[in-house]
Amino acid sequence: GQQLNQSPQSMFIQEGEDVSMNCTSSSIFNTWLWYKQDPGEGPVLLIALYKAGELTSNGRLTAQFGITRKDSFLNISASIPSDVGIYFCAGQNQGGSEKLVFGKGTKLTVNP
Amino acid sequence: GAGVSQTPSNKVTEKGKYVELRCDPISGHTALYWYRQSLGQGPEFLIYFQGTGAADDSGLPNDRFFAVRPEGSVSTLKIQRTERGDSAVYLCASSYLHMNTEAFFGQGTRLTVV
Repeated sequence: GQQLNQSPQSMFIQEGEDVSMNCTSSSIFNTWLWYKQDPGEGPVLLIALYKAGELTSNGRLTAQFGITRKDSFLNISASIPSDVGIYFCAGQNQGGSEKLVFGKGTKLTVNP
Repeated sequence: GAGVSQTPSNKVTEKGKYVELRCDPISGHTALYWYRQSLGQGPEFLIYFQGTGAADDSGLPNDRFFAVRPEGSVSTLKIQRTERGDSAVYLCASSYLHMNTEAFFGQGTRLTVV
């Protein structure tokens, strides 16, 4: 089945640093999504990308939909302690399917 | 309620037992989704409802898993003859129309099969 390769698996950074994580796929997706999950909670949607090449920002977060439709990245600028959590990429195909395929996540730790 | 509510929050059951997990979606949301998240993994799609009908159940791992949504609101995920490998967090999400726009996840039910 389809799989997403998300990297890095974990990151340890200092407060104020910028962060970059990415996701690649062996197959094409028509929508890329980025979620954040805190312990004991469900994932929360951060950014949705619907068009190849699209670059979208949400506050300190910026994400891009790769031109090949097989990859996406998420950048976080000027990290703060509340950015701690697990970040997931997810891809969705067209054809009426609502199914999302998730990556394994990037665990972010921010040292104050 | 304001968000997606899942009950129970934790469930411990013995191998071979039957369990039911409940999801109360956000009021008015017609679409409802079940995902399963194993430790250290991303969520894995199980089933999607549009109204009362299962529009896509391709993610259910085998016939021990079944889900219903009889009135188009609350959904129940049912697992028969539970196995230790079924241990995971079961997540429910709901939306007005589409998963990729405004779907909201509940906190999940942590199922442990001993």
